[in-house]
Amino acid sequence: KQEVTQIPAALSVPEGENLVLNCSFTDSAIYNLQWFRQDPGKGLTSLLLIQSSQREQTSGRLNASLDKSSGRSTLYIAASQPGDSATYLCAVRDSGYALNFGKGTSLLVTP
Amino acid sequence: GAVVSQHPSWVICKSGTSVKIECRSLDFQATTMFWYRQFPKQSLMLMATSNEGSKATYEQGVEKDKFLINHASLTLSTLTVTSAHPEDSSFYICSASSSADTQYFGPGTRLTVL
Repeated sequence: KQEVTQIPAALSVPEGENLVLNCSFTDSAIYNLQWFRQDPGKGLTSLLLIQSSQREQTSGRLNASLDKSSGRSTLYIAASQPGDSATYLCAVRDSGYALNFGKGTSLLVTP
Repeated sequence: GAVVSQHPSWVICKSGTSVKIECRSLDFQATTMFWYRQFPKQSLMLMATSNEGSKATYEQGVEKDKFLINHASLTLSTLTVTSAHPEDSSFYICSASSSADTQYFGPGTRLTVL
């Protein structure tokens, strides 16, 4: 069974810092990997989706990389802002449709 | 586009009662819908997958007689928690998909069972 781990569990940084969130998965035979943002008590907002054949995806200040062979992905956030404070979830899709989620990294960006 | 709604957004019920949660795809036809459950500070865990017109496929450990799922149309799936107990209190999130690649998530329903 696919296991998805996210490190760190929580992170607090001052505004303006660049930061990296890590995601690892145990089975490298994935279909794609997706990063989501979840605000407290809310649903999920998709940030970036990386297909298994891709190495990275970028959207604005966000960049996600994928190293399938080592079972790792990173989400890079440039010039962090207080509005970036949220929980970031990594999800891996295997050959089926279902997503396997990590527990998330809770990010706090202080002014 | 690709908006998924859930109703209600929160519900409080007494132990032993049943609660129905609706998941709708507003601007696309969802051939597949998924139901997830999220306990505090935990990850989303898939409960079941449903395809329109078919019986839902439940994940191991999820009681199909307790969590009734109906996917009667391409835009609506319902999850009914029967004889709810306090341990069923959780955040329930649905997602909908019309293609192999992307799932669109609803805003979630907070269930509290007293």
